[in-house]
Amino acid sequence: DIVMTQSPDSLAVSLGERATINCKSSQSILKSSNNKNYLAWFQKNPGQPPKLLISWASARESGVPDRFSGSGSGTDFTLTISSLQAEDVAVYYCQQYYSPITFGQGTRLEIK
Amino acid sequence: QVQLVQSGAEVKKPGASVKVSCRASGYIFTDYSMHWVRQAPGQKLEWMGWTNAGNGNTEYSQGFQGRVTFTRDTSASTAYMELSSLRSEDMAIYYCVRGKDRTSWIFDYWGQGTLVTVSS
Repeated sequence: DIVMTQSPDSLAVSLGERATINCKSSQSILKSSNNKNYLAWFQKNPGQPPKLLISWASARESGVPDRFSGSGSGTDFTLTISSLQAEDVAVYYCQQYYSPITFGQGTRLEIK
Repeated sequence: QVQLVQSGAEVKKPGASVKVSCRASGYIFTDYSMHWVRQAPGQKLEWMGWTNAGNGNTEYSQGFQGRVTFTRDTSASTAYMELSSLRSEDMAIYYCVRGKDRTSWIFDYWGQGTLVTVSS
């Protein structure tokens, strides 16, 4: 199975500052037939199920604030929150759906 | 609006089976794939498998082969996940998750989760 490794495990950022979370896959999740990266990002709050933020590595879901952006290709990916808001405190997960589905271990984001 | 409502928490003894239900509403049940994901305490989210909405076929993650069964009642828009031969490591929150279309592996809606406790 493809192993997804996130870094850092936890992160503290000041309100209004940029937060960056990295995700690395053990093999490429870029499919050459359609040039798409099979990578999603989720936000999870305590006691709640995960919420889809981004799919195809960079496609933001409807209703997700534009301060959230995804980038990267192949094996290295990044979730960036351009200006941290209090409501962004959560655990963030990357997930590959290339085959079969696996998740990163999560990154806990807190306010500094 | 799309909702996935799961059955309540379960407490089971080692070796027993558990069956979790997931009732869907707000969309056409047979137009979207259904996946099952679990998260044990302190562990990664773990995909268990899925049902292709188009043909009803199921695929199970290798780690659960032989122990898990997905079924569905399309007339009731309800999916079921049954896990047998429970052991302590199966103690987790179990989620049903909708895929974005009949064959999609992109998860757009999640159930609220069902806590399964395995204890003698």
